[in-house]
Amino acid sequence: SQTIHQWPATLVQPVGSPLSLECTVEGTSNPNLYWYRQAAGRGLQLLFYSVGIGQISSEVPQNLSASRPQDRQFILSSKKLLLSDSGFYLCAWSGDPPDEKLFFGSGTQLSVL
Amino acid sequence: DAKTTQPPSMDCAEGRAANLPCNHSTISGNEYVYWYRQIHSQGPQYIIHGLKNNETNEMASLIITEDRKSSTLILPHATLRDTAVYYCIVREYGNKLVFGAGTILRVKS
Repeated sequence: SQTIHQWPATLVQPVGSPLSLECTVEGTSNPNLYWYRQAAGRGLQLLFYSVGIGQISSEVPQNLSASRPQDRQFILSSKKLLLSDSGFYLCAWSGDPPDEKLFFGSGTQLSVL
Repeated sequence: DAKTTQPPSMDCAEGRAANLPCNHSTISGNEYVYWYRQIHSQGPQYIIHGLKNNETNEMASLIITEDRKSSTLILPHATLRDTAVYYCIVREYGNKLVFGAGTILRVKS
């Protein structure tokens, strides 16, 4: 069966520090991968998605970046965090159309202080 | 922008059916309707999806109107654990699923 791992679960970082969140998927090949962010009390905002190794599409211009160095690995990064980067970050994967059920990781609660 | 419209909140009595509406009047012929829910501080959970026909699984039923412009998610016997934000989503162009604000369902005893 497929599983998705996301870590760390919580993270407290000072403003201006770098960020690296990692997500891996097991039990499937060539998944579509996604990074979402959820601000407190708000809906999910799609940040990045990837349909293959090295293929990253950005939905929202910001100081975050994403990379996909391996088929089932998706990394969210920042060189310098801002206060506004605080939020709940979720990684997800899906298969190809028509079956595009999204499966989410457990999330990372990031607090930038 | 999300292609769906949902009421911001709904209440339901425990043990009763919860009927959550969703409007997707601009849905195209090949787009599926998906429902997810998110319990506080957790990742969203897939519930059900459909194209044209009504669907049922162990969690819920999905009723899609004949013109496909709206749908209703039915939780037949709501429990307190069903309190969550429910998202109705249609597939956007390409391989993206865009979440709207969702409906906060409060199940009350």
